[in-house]
Amino acid sequence: QLQLQESGPGLVKPSETLSLTCTVSGGSISSTTYYWGWIRQPPGKGLEWIGSMYYSGNTYYNSSLESRATISADTSKNLFSLRLNSVTAADTAVYYCATLRGSYCDHWGQGTLVIVSS
Amino acid sequence: DIQMTQSPSSVSASVGDRVTITCRASQGIGSWLAWYQQRPGKAPKLLIYAASSLHSGVPSRFSGSGSGTDFTLTISSLQPEDFATYYCQQANSFPLFGGGTKVEIK
Repeated sequence: QLQLQESGPGLVKPSETLSLTCTVSGGSISSTTYYWGWIRQPPGKGLEWIGSMYYSGNTYYNSSLESRATISADTSKNLFSLRLNSVTAADTAVYYCATLRGSYCDHWGQGTLVIVSS
Repeated sequence: DIQMTQSPSSVSASVGDRVTITCRASQGIGSWLAWYQQRPGKAPKLLIYAASSLHSGVPSRFSGSGSGTDFTLTISSLQPEDFATYYCQQANSFPLFGGGTKVEIK
């Protein structure tokens, strides 16, 4: 059973870099079956796809965030990561990692709340 | 840019009711559409993919239909655990979600 778990700081200061990790169990980050992605949800609002990566290292980003987001993988630890730089209060959200088959998100982590505040 | 519009934004219903939620894409997306359920404080769960295919483990009271620009999610007989927010998502290119429909207890 594929499981994903997000981890990282719950509080980030404005203008700094948000860094989150998604640890994968029950499957390999090198699998050709999935894309590995990040999705966020501001409090009380809807879902926004941030970006995805494939085992080959190819990455794809939401154009609204592309200049600030970076997704990468550590195959030795079977995890993938999100870095979002120059954060503002608008980046306060629950961040989910997920697997994607094509563009369908079929496994989700439980989510982690990140608050941007000084 | 493509936009996904859900209606209604909320619906009040009783256990046993039939509930229909609509999602409209601003341009044709074939059958590249998914539906998700999100209970409060929980991660979304995939219900339907490819507009009408039921994801593994999802009860058969959930069904999806449509193609092109107009899609529907139907819950044939609402159960207590179905009170949640539902999102559509276009999968023709990169994931883009609708604004959500909250199904509330009447």
